[in-house]
Amino acid sequence: AQSVSQHNHHVILSEAASLELGCNYSYGGTVNLFWYVQYPGQHLQLLLKYFSGDPLVKGIKGFEAEFIKSKFSFNLRKPSVQWSDTAEYFCAVNARNYGQNFVFGPGTRLSVLP
Amino acid sequence: GAGVSQTPSNKVTEKGKYVELRCDPISGHTALYWYRQSLGQGPEFLIYFQGTGAADDSGLPNDRFFAVRPEGSVSTLKIQRTERGDSAVYLCASSLLLGYEAFFGQGTRLTVV
Repeated sequence: AQSVSQHNHHVILSEAASLELGCNYSYGGTVNLFWYVQYPGQHLQLLLKYFSGDPLVKGIKGFEAEFIKSKFSFNLRKPSVQWSDTAEYFCAVNARNYGQNFVFGPGTRLSVLP
Repeated sequence: GAGVSQTPSNKVTEKGKYVELRCDPISGHTALYWYRQSLGQGPEFLIYFQGTGAADDSGLPNDRFFAVRPEGSVSTLKIQRTERGDSAVYLCASSLLLGYEAFFGQGTRLTVV
């Protein structure tokens, strides 16, 4: 079945540590890729998106992600996390050959210790 | 401008009752999506609209669930004969065009007791 997977359920880091959250999808063809963040008590917000072009995309708050087509991956990175990055992170895929909805991964909870 | 607005923010209902959840998308957005999110899980697709028509309702779990968007703007998700398993946060999102970035509302937390 088509799916989106996120490697880590819960990641705990200290402030200033580097972050990488994995995302893999199983859809073929053209895909639009997204990372959303959900801060405690808030709604889902877009961090960054990839439609085409440069596979390294930069988003808000110092986040970036790299699309590797051969690996069906779209990993999220940040060189130095802050306590305020504590949140739930969701990878989402819009695969044009499989409809126009967004399929979300199960999410990764990030806890940053001060 | 205003974001996606969902009402009510919380709804507690008894098993077997009927509920309606409302979504006001961002003005001018043609695509509208409904998702359901259970604790510790990612949003699960229910249905999306392009304009007034339901373009894909394959995510609706059964015929107790129904959604409308009669004028291509506000949408209502309707759940008949609610069951305890329907308890979740129901999310609405809109996007300018299908497949573009979706903007989410705060959600409606539905609790069926």
